[in-house]
Amino acid sequence: TQLLEQSPQFLSIQEGENLTVYCNSSSVFSSLQWYRQEPGEGPVLLVTVVTGGEVKKLKRLTFQFGDARKDSSLHITAAQPGDTGLYLCAGEGTGNQFYFGTGTSLTVIP
Amino acid sequence: KAGVTQTPRYLIKTRGQQVTLSCSPISGHRSVSWYQQTPGQGLQFLFEYFSETQRNKGNFPGRFSGRQFSNSRSEMNVSTLELGDSALYLCASSFAGSPLHFGNGTRLTVT
Repeated sequence: TQLLEQSPQFLSIQEGENLTVYCNSSSVFSSLQWYRQEPGEGPVLLVTVVTGGEVKKLKRLTFQFGDARKDSSLHITAAQPGDTGLYLCAGEGTGNQFYFGTGTSLTVIP
Repeated sequence: KAGVTQTPRYLIKTRGQQVTLSCSPISGHRSVSWYQQTPGQGLQFLFEYFSETQRNKGNFPGRFSGRQFSNSRSEMNVSTLELGDSALYLCASSFAGSPLHFGNGTRLTVT
C-alpha cells in the first residue's frame, strides 16, 4: 500500500514549458521532502517543508505543503533539460521512517 | 566531506543464495536506513539503525536483516534469495533522522 500517490507518473515536455507534480496522501506527516534521482544515482534532497501552507522557492522550483500537511506540489518554471530525472516526495512519519511516493519521471526535451 | 558509499555497485546472484551489502555513512552520521527500490513499488523502507540498534523496521520478511557496527557502518543481508528480490538497494545516512543522504545504491539481480 502506497501512502503517498504522485501524479503524473510520467511527464515529457519541451524545454521552456512549466509543469506541476502532485503528491497526495490521506495521512498527516510531520514534514515532507522532495528528492530528485538521476539514473545510476541515489535520490538527492531538494527541499523539506514542515509547516502547513508553507511555500518554498529554489530558483525555478516552487514547493508547497498543503494546509493539512497531507499533500504537496512541486512547480517547475521554464523547464530545462537538466531538470530531467525522477522526482520523489517523501513523508516523515513516526520513528524517523520515511514513506516515499512512486515518483514522477520527468523528461525535458531540448 | 565524503558521501555515503555503498558496495558493491552491482551484484548478480542465483535463487537460494544469500547476499551481504555494505554501506559506509557520512562521517558523523549515526543513523543508517535501508530502502528497496523497484519500478513497481518505488522506494520501500527496510529498516533503520542508530548507534548499533535497530530503531525501526519496515514490512519485509525475516530474510532481510541488517546490522550496524560501532563506526556506524552498516550491512544488510538477504538470505534465500528470490527472483522478486531483484532491485536497487539504497542506503541513506543522517545525523538525527532527517534529512536523508543517499548512496548510489547496489543493483542486485537474482537469476
